[in-house]
Amino acid sequence: SQKIEQNSEALNIQEGKTATLTCNYTNYSPAYLQWYRQDPGRGPVFLLLIRENEKEKRKERLKVTFDTTLKQSLFHITASQPADSATYLCRGGSQGNLIFGKGTKLSVKP
Amino acid sequence: EAQVTQNPRYLITVTGKKLTVTCSQNMNHEYMSWYRQDPGLGLRQIYYSMNVEVTDKGDVPEGYKVSRKEKRNFPLILESPSPNQTSLYFCASVTTGQGANTEAFFGQGTRLTVV
Repeated sequence: SQKIEQNSEALNIQEGKTATLTCNYTNYSPAYLQWYRQDPGRGPVFLLLIRENEKEKRKERLKVTFDTTLKQSLFHITASQPADSATYLCRGGSQGNLIFGKGTKLSVKP
Repeated sequence: EAQVTQNPRYLITVTGKKLTVTCSQNMNHEYMSWYRQDPGLGLRQIYYSMNVEVTDKGDVPEGYKVSRKEKRNFPLILESPSPNQTSLYFCASVTTGQGANTEAFFGQGTRLTVV
């Protein structure tokens, strides 16, 4: 079956460092991948989309890559801040059943 | 303002008492979906609808029903709730179509407890 996997349940880093989160997909070829941020008890909020023909996308301190050979997307937050602490979800795109990864909980310590 | 509205936000009910969680969107999206979120299991899709009168099962449809009689509304029905349906529920609507950003907009969530 189609799967989106985020291998790290949690990631702890020091303020100012770059956080790198991983998303892998299996058994399908998504036309795009998206990244969302979720704060406790609230719905996910869209951050970035990257299409299969794009290698890299940037938005302020965020950068996303898409490697169709490795079947992987990397999500980077540069110069991380405590306010970036949240759970980040990867979502694969195709028709029908839109699949989310389980998320990686990022904690940025001052 | 573009939004997805779920009601109620919090609900405590007893086993077997039918309930409905409403979801409404004002963005004219064709695609809508229900998810439940449990610790360690992430967001799991219950049902989705790609258009009016078209609904399909997601990964965990057992014990749930949905309907899509009009584009803006997508209610989630639990005919006979059980304690294992205690969870945080999210409704989402998604932009679709060629060139669309396909961004998912989520409601505020409904925290359901079945005792």
